[in-house]
Amino acid sequence: SQQGEEDPQALSIQEGENATMNCSYKTSINNLQWYRQNSGRGLVHLILIRSNEREKHSGRLRVTLDTSKKSSSLLITASRAADTASYFCATPPTDSWGKLQFGAGTQVVVTP
Amino acid sequence: DAGVTQSPTHLIKTRGQQVTLRCSPKSGHDTVSWYQQALGQGPQFIFQYYEEEERQRGNFPDRFSGHQFPNYSSELNVNALLLGDSALYLCASSLGTFNEQFFGPGTRLTVL
Repeated sequence: SQQGEEDPQALSIQEGENATMNCSYKTSINNLQWYRQNSGRGLVHLILIRSNEREKHSGRLRVTLDTSKKSSSLLITASRAADTASYFCATPPTDSWGKLQFGAGTQVVVTP
Repeated sequence: DAGVTQSPTHLIKTRGQQVTLRCSPKSGHDTVSWYQQALGQGPQFIFQYYEEEERQRGNFPDRFSGHQFPNYSSELNVNALLLGDSALYLCASSLGTFNEQFFGPGTRLTVL
């Protein structure tokens, strides 16, 4: 079974709008990471938020983490066509960051 | 500075055959992890190599094996290929097992 589950499975928005996706996980974590994947290619690391952080920003990205609800959200503000991709949350086990556990992802389509 | 590279890009094999996929980590990285990503799914952790040894393993059969060389590059071997082994195989490298992973573009394996 997968550790992280993203919601929604798919999201279609227009350029300039904001995109929000959520991730729920099952076990305790040290950190939670968000990745982007374009058209079935390699994953690009977007942002890492540690378990003692509640919110983190990186450019147009804003990530929140609620450890009491075991959930995280990723907000992309002022979306662009280039943001079209699949977005995954991933959590590593506490004894190593190697075994990242991914959800099924949210597929985001941004239309001009 | 080259990122993570993988070869080949695409591969077509027949059931029962064996395949070897290769990965060169990002410069300065010493840890390599392998993931399998089926179509429409998130990546699933196969195993991780550090100091030429398999350090962690996911829920994959013994048909999946690997190796890490002294220059930190790595190979993934799959024996007795099944149709279900068709997937994108991703390699990720990091400095040690407690740091961010950088992913390669992947190898698309099709088993007929």
